[in-house]
Amino acid sequence: AQKVTQAQTEISVVEKEDVTLDCVYETRDTTYYLFWYKQPPSGELVFLIRRNSFDEQNEISGRYSWNFQKSTSSFNFTITASQVVDSAVYFCALSEIETSGSRLTFGEGTQLTVNP
Amino acid sequence: AAGVIQSPRHLIKEKRETATLKCYPIPRHDTVYWYQQGPGQDPQFLISFYEKMQSDKGSIPDRFSAQQFSDYHSELNMSSLELGDSALYFCASSLDGTSGSRGYNEQFFGPGTRLTVL
Repeated sequence: AQKVTQAQTEISVVEKEDVTLDCVYETRDTTYYLFWYKQPPSGELVFLIRRNSFDEQNEISGRYSWNFQKSTSSFNFTITASQVVDSAVYFCALSEIETSGSRLTFGEGTQLTVNP
Repeated sequence: AAGVIQSPRHLIKEKRETATLKCYPIPRHDTVYWYQQGPGQDPQFLISFYEKMQSDKGSIPDRFSAQQFSDYHSELNMSSLELGDSALYFCASSLDGTSGSRGYNEQFFGPGTRLTVL
């Protein structure tokens, strides 16, 4: 079973639009961590955020915001006023500390294209 | 700040050849992770080492082996290469990332090695 599901394979928006990337996860651990990474065309993995299972506070960082809801096992990522430079593949990832240690399990990724 | 170094950045090999990828963790980091990302796919965990001992094993083929040396750098050895081994291989390092009871220690990713098998 897919532990991390990113149902949106590709999203295309026009610059300045807001866009939300969905992430649904599955785990039986009570202690786990969720992440978002950005992978631009150059290929490197850029860390965006980490959230632990005990902290459901939403977070905002500039144009980025994250909504963590344990009740729906979701950790969604919103980019406000998108820019062309936001074009990349975005991965949601899970670390199940109790069962799998620190290894990261990634979702299949969402390709975001921001058009000028 | 020093980052994770991977070498080579690009590697082209023929089928059935061998390849060795190297990873130099951030200074003082004691844990190294290897991930494989095939074209259009998400990164898949291969193996990790803590203090030179294998700490976790994922979907690593038997043709692959890895180790962590006394200076904490790690090498991923790949033999009998197949076309399907063409991928981006990431190394990540962390400081004491093995115990959930002590919380999570962030993995810092290297730039990756792009392996092409012809």
